Amino acid sequence: DSGVTQTPKHLITATGQRVTLRCSPRSGDLSVYWYQQSLDQGLQFLIQYYNGEERAKGNILERFSAQQFPDLHSELNLSSLELGDSALYFCASSPTPQADTQYFGPGTRLTVL
Amino acid sequence: EDQVTQSPEALRLQEGESSSLNCSYTVSGLRGLFWYRQDPGKGPEFLFTLYSAGEEKEKERLKATLTKKESFLHITAPKPEDSATYLCAVLGGSSNTGKLIFGQGTTLQVKP
Repeated sequence: DSGVTQTPKHLITATGQRVTLRCSPRSGDLSVYWYQQSLDQGLQFLIQYYNGEERAKGNILERFSAQQFPDLHSELNLSSLELGDSALYFCASSPTPQADTQYFGPGTRLTVL
Repeated sequence: EDQVTQSPEALRLQEGESSSLNCSYTVSGLRGLFWYRQDPGKGPEFLFTLYSAGEEKEKERLKATLTKKESFLHITAPKPEDSATYLCAVLGGSSNTGKLIFGQGTTLQVKP
């Protein structure tokens, strides 16, 4: 158990819908990262937050957005869902925003039908 | 552009048959190289962090090494429970971010 929690574990929804994925970092970690893992793309960095502020952006679609709240938990919002958005979404956390080891949560499996 | 290539894509070993997994990287200013283990449908589990060429880390049957261009994960006398996908990732560049670049992974199967 890494100490990072993610909810829900599984999410099944239809195209065009909007969903919210939630992540709670390890106790004491201020930085949160979101990654997407699909069969053909591998693990891809989406976005990083540090102490409530956006720190770095990867290849995140405009339909996706995220935020980190004052209690440090983070939410990833995915809207206008397409079949291709089906993937595993992982959250990771670290104490500082650079060079620290990132510990991953168990992931949310999103299926878009 | 930062890039990570892992080989082989898949590896089948007999229990007790030692081998090595390779991770080649191209990055401007390596700030860290990370090895993770991932079981199907689970989150990546941290194994090692290496920061500079010549560094080595060991844990049970696993040993990670780092050169200026690649890293190796050596598996000595593997057991069936070592079966998993092993991921390599790099942190590079001068920006103060934690964006990890992952390789595609090596899927290891150890047969009893």
